[in-house]
Amino acid sequence: DGGITQSPKYLFRKEGQNVTLSCEQNLNHDAMYWYRQDPGQGLRLIYYSQIVNDFQKGDIAEGYSVSREKKESFPLTVTSAQKNPTAFYLCASQTTATNEKLFFGSGTQLSVL
Amino acid sequence: QKEVEQDPGPLSVPEGAIVSLNCTYSNSAFQYFMWYRQYSRKGPELLMYTYSSGNKEDGRFTAQVDKSSKYISLFIRDSQPSDSATYLCAMSAGPGGGADGLTFGKGTHLIIQP
Repeated sequence: DGGITQSPKYLFRKEGQNVTLSCEQNLNHDAMYWYRQDPGQGLRLIYYSQIVNDFQKGDIAEGYSVSREKKESFPLTVTSAQKNPTAFYLCASQTTATNEKLFFGSGTQLSVL
Repeated sequence: QKEVEQDPGPLSVPEGAIVSLNCTYSNSAFQYFMWYRQYSRKGPELLMYTYSSGNKEDGRFTAQVDKSSKYISLFIRDSQPSDSATYLCAMSAGPGGGADGLTFGKGTHLIIQP
């Protein structure tokens, strides 16, 4: 089945630790995105990538980093510089960067120990 | 300005009722309007997509856009308990969705009582 797979479903981070959230898609989509969702808040864009080996900062990129070495994969690293990392993280993809319809993964809940 | 207003609810209605969900926005450049449904701790799924003003119907769902009033609506007819979820409106000025700054509302939590 085609889709977007995020792992792990739940993740815990210790103080000063970097953690990486995985996002893999087998939809052959060009564009991929990372959003952060906080309770009672809308989705906020962290980073996006329209093609392999290229990515752009979104509205709240500070404390996060990404890579796009393969079309299928767009991992997100939450660094120790992100002081308030507890949130629900959503990965999404589009067929092309000019198609407005986003397809989302099932999300990763990150919490701080 | 990228502000979208959406009542967070919860909105509780009996099964079979017609549900009306709404968003208002301030950016007159928005032309692409979407509604996503999100079940608890799951990713949002696209329900409806509309370009510019007008209505669009898909089964029990109808999306309306009134650009003159900067107001969009989602109507659900014959509501079912399985419709219980959070509904997010989203909009953008360009066709690129996320890359062109897709702005989401905070979501309305809908509860359909059996």
